[in-house]
Amino acid sequence: DSGVTQTPKHLITATGQRVTLRCSPRSGDLSVYWYQQSLDQGLQFLIQYYNGEERAKGNILERFSAQQFPDLHSELNLSSLELGDSALYFCASTSGDGTGELFFGEGSRLTVL
Amino acid sequence: GNSVTQMEGPVTLSEEAFLTINCTYTATGYPSLFWYVQYPGEGLQLLLKATKADDKGSNKGFEATYRKETTSFHLEKGSVQVSDSAVYFCALIRGADGLTFGKGTHLIIQP
Repeated sequence: DSGVTQTPKHLITATGQRVTLRCSPRSGDLSVYWYQQSLDQGLQFLIQYYNGEERAKGNILERFSAQQFPDLHSELNLSSLELGDSALYFCASTSGDGTGELFFGEGSRLTVL
Repeated sequence: GNSVTQMEGPVTLSEEAFLTINCTYTATGYPSLFWYVQYPGEGLQLLLKATKADDKGSNKGFEATYRKETTSFHLEKGSVQVSDSAVYFCALIRGADGLTFGKGTHLIIQP
């Protein structure tokens, strides 16, 4: 158990809809990362937050947004969903001490029909 | 920018065979290097890491040596087991850029 909790584990929705994925980081970790894993693109970095502030942005679409709340949990919002958004979305956390070890949740599997 | 290239699988081996998964990287300066493993249905977990040139990371019988001159961090294991079947990701971190992952190598070990 990594200590990172993601909900929901599975989500099935239709094109055009909007979903929210939630992540609770390990206790004490200030930094949260979101990654998208698909068969064709591999593991793609989406966005990073550190203590409530956006720290780095990767290949995140404009239809996607995220935030980190004062209690350090994070949410990833995906809107106007397309078939190609079907993927496994991982959240990872780290203390931010620069050592680089990330602790990953088990992921949220999104299926867009 | 930073990038990681690793051999794409699937790599299929018999139990007790020797394993090498190649990984090379592109980054300025001196990144830290990692191997993460993803078992079926689970998130990624750190397998080993090395933070400077010539460092060797090791864990669970796996080893990788940070080679600055060849910008490589190849993963090796002398005798693989069926339980090693998983997807292996090479990754690097450089400054505040966050982890950059390779595309992953699917390893299948047959009894």
